[in-house]
Amino acid sequence: EDQVTQSPEALRLQEGESSSLNCSYTVSGLRGLFWYRQDPGKGPEFLFTLYSAGEEKEKERLKATLTKKESFLHITAPKPEDSATYLCAVVVAGGSYIPTFGRGTSLIVHP
Amino acid sequence: EAQVTQNPRYLITVTGKKLTVTCSQNMNHEYMSWYRQDPGLGLRQIYYSMNVEVTDKGDVPEGYKVSRKEKRNFPLILESPSPNQTSLYFCASSRRIPRDNQETQYFGPGTRLLVL
Repeated sequence: EDQVTQSPEALRLQEGESSSLNCSYTVSGLRGLFWYRQDPGKGPEFLFTLYSAGEEKEKERLKATLTKKESFLHITAPKPEDSATYLCAVVVAGGSYIPTFGRGTSLIVHP
Repeated sequence: EAQVTQNPRYLITVTGKKLTVTCSQNMNHEYMSWYRQDPGLGLRQIYYSMNVEVTDKGDVPEGYKVSRKEKRNFPLILESPSPNQTSLYFCASSRRIPRDNQETQYFGPGTRLLVL
């Protein structure tokens, strides 16, 4: 069974304190891994797509990396406005597009 | 402004009373999908559509129907809602199937449904 596990479930940081969120997956073959940000009461907002091990993507203070077993979302010098729930999802190679989502990491950045 | 809209945003209904949640996108996207989000379970795909008149089941399709008669609209239909369908529902769209290339998927604001 395809599984996606995100850790930690919750993370509290001080403004400027860099850290990483983890998304580990066990799938038969990875087609793509997606990262989203979700603010309370809103729909997820697309951040990145990663397709192959070794790939990296950056956007402002966020950097996503991918290995054969997991992905990391690195947050450098976070600000309070980075507070949100971060979701990752994987799509398995072959067949239809049905993403499997992790349960998310709730990030709070204190000023 | 590129957007995905859903209506209603909040709905309280009773068991067995048919309801429809509408979804519309203004980006001429081919791919649209519906998700439900439940605490502790994350987002799960209900149905998706790769284009007009082309729909397929996601992970949790039981109790739901969809239709895609026009490219911009993808309504979610609950013929006989039950309390276990109480959830937060999201519609999403992207230009093409978001498994190739870097296809951004846009999500709607969500519809919170309570079935009594």
